[in-house]
Amino acid sequence: KAGVTQTPRYLIKTRGQQVTLSCSPISGHRSVSWYQQTPGQGLQFLFEYFSETQRNKGNFPGRFSGRQFSNSRSEMNVSTLELGDSALYLCASSLDGFYNEQFFGPGTRLTVL
Amino acid sequence: QKEVEQDPGPLSVPEGAIVSLNCTYSNSAFQYFMWYRQYSRKGPELLMYTYSSGNKEDGRFTAQVDKSSKYISLFIRDSQPSDSATYLCAMSVGMNSGGYQKVTFGTGTKLQVIP
Repeated sequence: KAGVTQTPRYLIKTRGQQVTLSCSPISGHRSVSWYQQTPGQGLQFLFEYFSETQRNKGNFPGRFSGRQFSNSRSEMNVSTLELGDSALYLCASSLDGFYNEQFFGPGTRLTVL
Repeated sequence: QKEVEQDPGPLSVPEGAIVSLNCTYSNSAFQYFMWYRQYSRKGPELLMYTYSSGNKEDGRFTAQVDKSSKYISLFIRDSQPSDSATYLCAMSVGMNSGGYQKVTFGTGTKLQVIP
């Protein structure tokens, strides 16, 4: 069974630009969660999608948005990039959102210059 | 104050040593406790999970939860160089009304096991 895939793996952008990250969950998984990982803050929850609907949202500004498609693939968008947005962005998929069924992808390393 | 505190390390031990990794938390509503392992350039993988207080053993790994002290630990016996990774503790209050179990993570402890 293929794992969670994320594209691209690395990305370099400049301040003010926008970026779109993609996540393909494990086949059959309907829940996709997004996290931001930084050395100082650790993993912080961005949002979770289930069957194309956002079910939960973390404490991030509106510049961070996402969506989920009918095939459960998910995209995350960050507009008007700031230097502080440099981080590893991880997505995790699960069948229904249970913690012990959550599988992470390898992440997208975003660098904002 | 963060809900979950974890010593970032790095922690360096010789092969075969017993490793103790710890986290403290402030939210008394946490009921589910997890440990993730994250290798360099990889996403975290769930290592162990426990519900409520007590110990849980899985091979060389033992997870311990002390809810009265709001303290959890992961012990690794006979540590191996392949155990070198960052270990993240994580906690959850349970399933919310929206049908999702939000997990709060520690910042991770970097462990290096030296051959």
